[in-house]
Amino acid sequence: AQSVTQLDSHVSVSEGTPVLLRCNYSSSYSPSLFWYVQHPNKGLQLLLKYTSAATLVKGINGFEAEFKKSETSFHLTKPSAHMSDAAEYFCVVTPDQTGANNLFFGTGTRLTVIP
Amino acid sequence: DAGVIQSPRHEVTEMGQEVTLRCKPISGHDYLFWYRQTMMRGLELLIYFNNNVPIDDSGMPEDRFSAKMPNASFSTLKIQPSEPRDSAVYFCASSTETYNEQFFGPGTRLTVL
Repeated sequence: AQSVTQLDSHVSVSEGTPVLLRCNYSSSYSPSLFWYVQHPNKGLQLLLKYTSAATLVKGINGFEAEFKKSETSFHLTKPSAHMSDAAEYFCVVTPDQTGANNLFFGTGTRLTVIP
Repeated sequence: DAGVIQSPRHEVTEMGQEVTLRCKPISGHDYLFWYRQTMMRGLELLIYFNNNVPIDDSGMPEDRFSAKMPNASFSTLKIQPSEPRDSAVYFCASSTETYNEQFFGPGTRLTVL
């Protein structure tokens, strides 16, 4: 069965320092993986997606993520945090079953950026 | 495209009242999803449609909840009667093909007093 685990419920970084949000997935085949961001009182916005092309995926706002099959990980990184990056981040995996289209969301990681 | 449109953005009602949430998906998207988000339970998928047909409603909490999609450009989520524990933010999302990303609306914040 497929699942996704976000290893940290809350991450706090100083402005200008690197960001690392961790995500591990479980899937019996090669999934598609996404990162979404949700700013306070807003809907979810797609940051980036992996769909079996390049393993290093670049997204919006300077974020990127690397798909590592051997580690079943899809960690989200950014070299330098900005105050506007403070938000909730969700790692998402596609289902195993062909034809199903309900994505599986992680529980979220709240990123705090300290000035 | 204006993106996924939800209305109302905020709804405050009293326990026992009927509540109807509305969603207009992105034109050309064949899949429509309803989610509920709370602090306690996070983001939960309630139901999703493909070509206006409900495919999986296993996330609908109980019979008080119902969803319809009468045409490709409109869906409703109804709660009757509403209860305080239904207070949450309800999101609608749409997508095209299987395994593609979903586009989310801004959400409806529901408060049941």
